[in-house]
Amino acid sequence: GENVEQHPSTLSVQEGDSAVIKCTYSDSASNYFPWYKQELGKRPQLIIDIRSNVGEKKDQRIAVTLNKTAKHFSLHITETQPEDSAVYFCAASMYGGSQGNLIFGKGTKLSVKP
Amino acid sequence: DAGVIQSPRHEVTEMGQEVTLRCKPISGHDYLFWYRQTMMRGLELLIYFNNNVPIDDSGMPEDRFSAKMPNASFSTLKIQPSEPRDSAVYFCASRWGSTDTQYFGPGTRLTVL
Repeated sequence: GENVEQHPSTLSVQEGDSAVIKCTYSDSASNYFPWYKQELGKRPQLIIDIRSNVGEKKDQRIAVTLNKTAKHFSLHITETQPEDSAVYFCAASMYGGSQGNLIFGKGTKLSVKP
Repeated sequence: DAGVIQSPRHEVTEMGQEVTLRCKPISGHDYLFWYRQTMMRGLELLIYFNNNVPIDDSGMPEDRFSAKMPNASFSTLKIQPSEPRDSAVYFCASRWGSTDTQYFGPGTRLTVL
């Protein structure tokens, strides 16, 4: 089955710097890659996602890139702000196929220092 | 829509007691997922349903765990008997089959003493 590895497990940056979180997946049939943000004590919430027919997607300060050949995808946050501090999870899935579930990475705790 | 609803939000119980967690998915969603989150193991999928039918329960830890979905608007996750190692936050999530976005409920924080 699918396996998703996420790195780093913790990341500390200064406010205004960029942050990059990387994930790799094992199943080449995966075609949907969402990123979730979980603030302390809250539920995971979708912040951006990408499908396998797209190489990059941006939404304001957040972008996700996908390399299907290497089977890895990354989350990029520019001009980080203290409110970006949270745990970020990547996930992979074969939506449209026989499976309906997401396989999550272990998460990255991002700390943005003022 | 109120989003995915879970109850209770917090549960404290003693080892050996039965615990029942409840979930109401977003109206119209045909997939429902139960997750467990701990510091050590992260976010683990326990079981998921499609149109009220369990599709994959391979993540259920052991026979002490059971889940049901008697109708499209309600699901339960039961632990009997509960053990201290079951302490975690349990999330329910739902999505509509024709879209990709999975929406999480607020979670139930379970503490087994």
